[in-house]
Amino acid sequence: QFVLTQSPSASASLGASVKLTCTLTSGHTGYAIAWHQQQPEKGPRFLMKVSADGSHLKGDGIPDRFSGSSSGAERYLTISRLQSEDEGDYYCQTWDTGRGVFGGGTKVTVL
Amino acid sequence: EVQLVESGGALVQVGGSLRLSCAASGFTLSSYNMNWVRQAPGKGLESVSHISNVGNTIYYADSVKGRFTVSRDIAKNSLYLQMNSLRAEDTAVYYCASRGYRDYGLVSFDIWGQGTMVIVSS
Repeated sequence: QFVLTQSPSASASLGASVKLTCTLTSGHTGYAIAWHQQQPEKGPRFLMKVSADGSHLKGDGIPDRFSGSSSGAERYLTISRLQSEDEGDYYCQTWDTGRGVFGGGTKVTVL
Repeated sequence: EVQLVESGGALVQVGGSLRLSCAASGFTLSSYNMNWVRQAPGKGLESVSHISNVGNTIYYADSVKGRFTVSRDIAKNSLYLQMNSLRAEDTAVYYCASRGYRDYGLVSFDIWGQGTMVIVSS
């Protein structure tokens, strides 16, 4: 079964950086994934797609503070120069045999 | 501006029916793969249904198969989700999302609506 695994929570200080991880199931390590941000009480927002080779495609208006990378079965989202509005839930997502697959989400807290 | 706007959410009794709508503006909805995603209170995102751009491929999550039906109205540039035999566990915010508008690799859900709330009560 295809599963995307995310840590439940992450935190960092205002102005610092945080790196979120999305781990793909063995056998699916070549898949690209998308990262989505969900601020409190809002709908999800597409941030970027991250491919297995580390290349990424950003959504409209996504600041340069957000970047993506890859290593093996892991896809990363790094948020630099953390701001208070970066607090929220971050989901990774991919597409497999006719269905969307979501990770469980990581709650980011800005200290 | 490219936008998706959902409507139709309501409080409904167990066993009841509801039809959700998703109106697209700024792009032609039928040119893209479209999806319904839901989020139960305090929970993560769950893919519910998908319809391909040509309309010949439709997917439903096991949890809604046989009860929900996805459709489109090309003239109205809108997507629909007919929900029958509703259960308490269907309580969620329902989002529509496109796939492939920005991501030509057809992986990402790349345009999202703001969501509409469905509460199923006994």
